Amino acid sequence: GENVEQHPSTLSVQEGDSAVIKCTYSDSASNYFPWYKQELGKRPQLIIDIRSNVGEKKDQRIAVTLNKTAKHFSLHITETQPEDSAVYFCAASKGGSARQLTFGSGTQLTVLP
Amino acid sequence: EPEVTQTPSHQVTQMGQEVILRCVPISNHLYFYWYRQILGQKVEFLVSFYNNEISEKSEIFDDQFSVERPDGSNFTLKIRSTKLEDSAMYFCASTGQGETQYFGPGTRLLVL
Repeated sequence: GENVEQHPSTLSVQEGDSAVIKCTYSDSASNYFPWYKQELGKRPQLIIDIRSNVGEKKDQRIAVTLNKTAKHFSLHITETQPEDSAVYFCAASKGGSARQLTFGSGTQLTVLP
Repeated sequence: EPEVTQTPSHQVTQMGQEVILRCVPISNHLYFYWYRQILGQKVEFLVSFYNNEISEKSEIFDDQFSVERPDGSNFTLKIRSTKLEDSAMYFCASTGQGETQYFGPGTRLLVL
């Protein structure tokens, strides 16, 4: 089955700096890659997603890049703010509406004021 | 904005007891999922459900687990005989026509 590796497990940055989180996946059939933000004790919330027919997607301060050949994708957060502090999970699936998400192990991002 | 809801928010049970976790997916969504997250670990897929039947299930989803959509709004996860290792946060999620899975707030299950 699919295996998703995520690095780093913890990341501390100064407010205003950029943060990058990287994930790799194993199943070349995976074609949908969402990123979720989870604050302590809360539900995972989708922040951005990308499909395999796209190499990059941006939404304000958040961007995701995908390298299908290397089977890795990354989350980039620019101009970080303290409220960006949370655990971020990458995930992968084969797409379609009834496909399980396989999650990475999560990255605890701390933005220092 | 519509949200997935779950009840109860917390459940404490004795080992060997049955528990039922309830979810109300977003109205007009057709695909439903259960995931679990053991404290401090990643979110793990349990089962997906569409058109009144299981679409996919993981190795975690053994004979002790079952899902049901008893009416037009609820989606339930039953654990027949709970074990200590079933202690986790259980998330329900739903999907409409697209691929985005919207998660509920979770039920924290503690098995003593």
